[in-house]
Amino acid sequence: EAQVTQNPRYLITVTGKKLTVTCSQNMNHEYMSWYRQDPGLGLRQIYYSMNVEVTDKGDVPEGYKVSRKEKRNFPLILESPSPNQTSLYFCASRRAGGNEKLFFGSGTQLSVL
Amino acid sequence: GQNIDQPTEMTATEGAIVQINCTYQTSGFNGLFWYQQHAGEAPTFLSYNVLDGLEEKGRFSSFLSRSKGYSYLLLKELQMKDSASYLCAVDQAGTALIFGKGTTLSVSS
Repeated sequence: EAQVTQNPRYLITVTGKKLTVTCSQNMNHEYMSWYRQDPGLGLRQIYYSMNVEVTDKGDVPEGYKVSRKEKRNFPLILESPSPNQTSLYFCASRRAGGNEKLFFGSGTQLSVL
Repeated sequence: GQNIDQPTEMTATEGAIVQINCTYQTSGFNGLFWYQQHAGEAPTFLSYNVLDGLEEKGRFSSFLSRSKGYSYLLLKELQMKDSASYLCAVDQAGTALIFGKGTTLSVSS
């Protein structure tokens, strides 16, 4: 089954404790992206990647890191999480070029205490 | 700059028709998507418009006017399960997908 797999689904952590949210897709998509979703602010792009070893900042990259060492994986790293990073996070992927829809993972609800 | 506007909330009754508008001003445009999102779940694809005009898909239709920077999603024969957020998103030249803040639709009986 074609899918984007994100883990974990829920995560509670404390300020400053490094964490990684994993994302994997099995559709051989070139493009992958991370979004955060907050009430009243909608989906905002954190980072995206057009292909292996190619990453670019989105609208809200501060406090996040990503890597794209393999085509299928695009982990999101929070080196020193802070409470303002409490949010619902989505990973997404699609084929390169226009006219291609975005497939979303099931989301990660992160709480930073 | 980038700007995508949608109404924040809308209400309607079962069986009715509702139109959700989206206006956009973006630096690049390759097409426009509509997604549906139920609370706490991932967005799911509804429609894609790249050319001007109306695209119909069952109870849902989407319209695009590129010259006016305007789109709408039309939902017919509303059902309770249509209560959700509806997200308008601009496809920027095949790279980033920029989302509006979403419209929360409440359908009552």
